[in-house]
Amino acid sequence: ETGVTQTPRHLVMGMTNKKSLKCEQHLGHNAMYWYKQSAKKPLELMFVYNFKEQTENNSVPSRFSPECPNSSHLFLHLHTLQPEDSALYLCASSQRSDGSSSYEQYFGPGTRLTVT
Amino acid sequence: KNQVEQSPQSLIILEGKNCTLQCNYTVSPFSNLRWYKQDTGRGPVSLTIMTFSENTKSNGRYTATLDADTKQSSLHITASQLSDSASYICVVSGMFSGGYNKLIFGAGTRLAVHP
Repeated sequence: ETGVTQTPRHLVMGMTNKKSLKCEQHLGHNAMYWYKQSAKKPLELMFVYNFKEQTENNSVPSRFSPECPNSSHLFLHLHTLQPEDSALYLCASSQRSDGSSSYEQYFGPGTRLTVT
Repeated sequence: KNQVEQSPQSLIILEGKNCTLQCNYTVSPFSNLRWYKQDTGRGPVSLTIMTFSENTKSNGRYTATLDADTKQSSLHITASQLSDSASYICVVSGMFSGGYNKLIFGAGTRLAVHP
């Protein structure tokens, strides 16, 4: 176990549904990340939160809405998704993300999302 | 363009054999290079991390090499085991404009070890 948990592990939702993904880290880290992993493609960074503040949004569609209430928890709220949004969504955390150096990232197990 | 290319895309080997996975990158300037192992249905787990000055690093049966001049890295797996079946992802950290550090991910090599 890496100290990063994600729920649910699997999610099937229709295009009109609203759902949320949850991530929790028990490592005392201050930075948390959302990644999208599609089949045979590199991980795509979606959002970065550093000390609860969003520091990066990689042109992610507004149907994905992140929330970081504290340094230990990160949510990804989903609404009106498209079938091409089906993927593995990974959460990660690191000591910090101050931009000047690269800290080790620890990944959760991911949520396998299927949009029907 | 900053890219990380991995080869082969997939590989099948017999248990007990050795194998080498390749990673070529164009990320510049370069900060460090990491290899991750990702089991099916799990998140990536770090195997090694190397900075510019390091040209080899081992973690058990995994040995990573780095040639910063040619911008190439390899991951060598010795005496493979069935549990080595996974995707192996090469990740390069680069310093971009404004002093901001970013990770560039390769698409991974999917390794299958057969008995």
